[in-house]
Amino acid sequence: EPEVTQTPSHQVTQMGQEVILRCVPISNHLYFYWYRQILGQKVEFLVSFYNNEISEKSEIFDDQFSVERPDGSNFTLKIRSTKLEDSAMYFCASRTGLAITDTQYFGPGTRLTVL
Amino acid sequence: AQKITQTQPGMFVQEKEAVTLDCTYDTSDPSYGLFWYKQPSSGEMIFLIYQGSYDQQNATEGRYSLNFQKARKSANLVISASQLGDSAMYFCAMSGYTNAGKSTFGDGTTLTVKP
Repeated sequence: EPEVTQTPSHQVTQMGQEVILRCVPISNHLYFYWYRQILGQKVEFLVSFYNNEISEKSEIFDDQFSVERPDGSNFTLKIRSTKLEDSAMYFCASRTGLAITDTQYFGPGTRLTVL
Repeated sequence: AQKITQTQPGMFVQEKEAVTLDCTYDTSDPSYGLFWYKQPSSGEMIFLIYQGSYDQQNATEGRYSLNFQKARKSANLVISASQLGDSAMYFCAMSGYTNAGKSTFGDGTTLTVKP
């Protein structure tokens, strides 16, 4: 069964460093998402991406964040200058379309630790 | 705006018994999908079951069923014949057509299955 993959599974970085989190969505999916889950808290929406542009973003997704689909298969989330509070699990998700029957499938997540 | 409410931070159930995890929602979308995900301690988000707002029948997937009461805006998850491996965090989520398909999550319920 096709699945969303994410790399790395765990990333440790120093405060102020740039990180890039990578995702490979399911191949026939057209809508892509990033979510964040701070340890012990709820899953929060960051950004949605369709047709090579951001379709919606949350207030969390400030100028430090950017997304890109560089080659038609990868979908990346970049944090330019990490802060301690960016430590969280980051989930990538994808779905075929916007019909209510289109399930959103999540990747296994990347655990980001900022020291 | 969409809102998901899970009022049970933690639940306990005896192995082999059934358990109901509560979820209520609020949305202005005329059509929407409701989802349940399981998050074990390893952190990944596992899709369990889906219910569309126009579905007349309650969704079932193996030991999981969704008790959908549209007028009450509730979408409770029922797990029958609980197993030790069911111990995990469970999230209720919804997505609609009008918000780029993003999912809104509840705070989650931690389920512990006792032997």
